Amino acid sequence: GIQVEQSPPDLILQEGANSTLRCNFSDSVNNLQWFHQNPWGQLINLFYIPSGTKQNGRLSATTVATERYSLLYISSSQTTDSGVYFCAVSFNTGGFKTIFGAGTRLFVKA
Amino acid sequence: EAQVTQNPRYLITVTGKKLTVTCSQNMNHEYMSWYRQDPGLGLRQIYYSMNVEVTDKGDVPEGYKVSRKEKRNFPLILESPSPNQTSLYFCASSLTAVFRGGLGEQYFGPGTRLTVT
Repeated sequence: GIQVEQSPPDLILQEGANSTLRCNFSDSVNNLQWFHQNPWGQLINLFYIPSGTKQNGRLSATTVATERYSLLYISSSQTTDSGVYFCAVSFNTGGFKTIFGAGTRLFVKA
Repeated sequence: EAQVTQNPRYLITVTGKKLTVTCSQNMNHEYMSWYRQDPGLGLRQIYYSMNVEVTDKGDVPEGYKVSRKEKRNFPLILESPSPNQTSLYFCASSLTAVFRGGLGEQYFGPGTRLTVT
């Protein structure tokens, strides 16, 4: 089946720093999403990005579907950015299955 | 407000006592899905439903049942819960963007934390 790998697994940043999180997937997918799981366990939608580039405030994402990867950029990080970032891909098997990456755990220090 | 709701949010139960976790969405989405999240194993799909009366297995369906009798509801049933089903469960829903060949954006409920003793 499709493999989804995220890197780095852990990241510690000083407040104000920038970072790039990566998501690689092993086969063609129909869509890709980025989520942030906050310390209370809630999954927050960041981007729905099957291809191309999107920006939302300090966050932006790029998916290059032909090369099977996506990047999430966090600029001017804040302590509230701490948590776990997941990418998830969905693919057509007759229905639509979804596979999550293992996540990148981010801690932003004040 | 567009949302996915789950009930209960927290549940402690004993081995073998049947339980149902409800999931409801008010966005008229065709697609609904259940996931479980476990430390070290991440988020894994249990079952999904493409539409009413259409369900299929995800990666970890053993020990679970689902039904989709109405578009808005997708309950998860554990007929004989065991301690290895202790987990954080999420329900999600989405439009099926068939004309684009892909699934739409998935929206997640707040999660149900289940403990089976």
